[in-house]
Amino acid sequence: DIQMTQSPSSLSASVGDRVTITCRASQDIDNSVAWYQQIPGQAPKLLIYAASTLASGSPSRFTGSGSGTNYTLTITSLQPEDFASYFCQQYFYWRTFGQGTKVEIK
Amino acid sequence: EVQLVESGGGLVKPGGSLRLSCAASGFTFNSYTMNWVRQAPGKGLEWVSYISGAGNNIYYANSVKGRFTISRDNAENSLYLQMDSLRVEDTAVYYCARDQYGWSHVDYWGQGTLVTVSS
Repeated sequence: DIQMTQSPSSLSASVGDRVTITCRASQDIDNSVAWYQQIPGQAPKLLIYAASTLASGSPSRFTGSGSGTNYTLTITSLQPEDFASYFCQQYFYWRTFGQGTKVEIK
Repeated sequence: EVQLVESGGGLVKPGGSLRLSCAASGFTFNSYTMNWVRQAPGKGLEWVSYISGAGNNIYYANSVKGRFTISRDNAENSLYLQMDSLRVEDTAVYYCARDQYGWSHVDYWGQGTLVTVSS
């Protein structure tokens, strides 16, 4: 199985901050990675797919990058509605998720 | 508007069975591959099972293989998950989830249904 190691597990940030979340795959996953946002009590919502393609309706402050085994989700200017948990997922071989990152208000 | 509505969750004893349903609307159901994904309380996401549009390709996570059965009724626009020999560790919110392009990422999720396995 492909493991996805996501970091950090949590972070505290302020509105307007730049936030970076990283996922490292246990092998090359050829950009087959998606990022999801989950607000407590709600279903996940797709933000980014194919490593860097912004999903329809996702704000442009969310960007994805990376290749090979290392992938990053960046929120360029954190907004109040962005305080949530974020998960990466690889779909190169079967599907596995990262452990999640909880973004909290500083 | 794409909608996925799960039902069938509840409290069941270890060793028991439960059948989850997902009613789909707002898209051509038989054109999309579908999944079940679960999330244990306070934990991360775990992919459970996948089924192709015609229902002829099916995959399971090792943790549920031999105990869970995924199926779909394209005439009824519905997805199902038959869960047998349930264990305490199967306790989770179960989400119905649509793939955007065949074997790919999920683009739509249902709101989930809670399954609690406890004596």
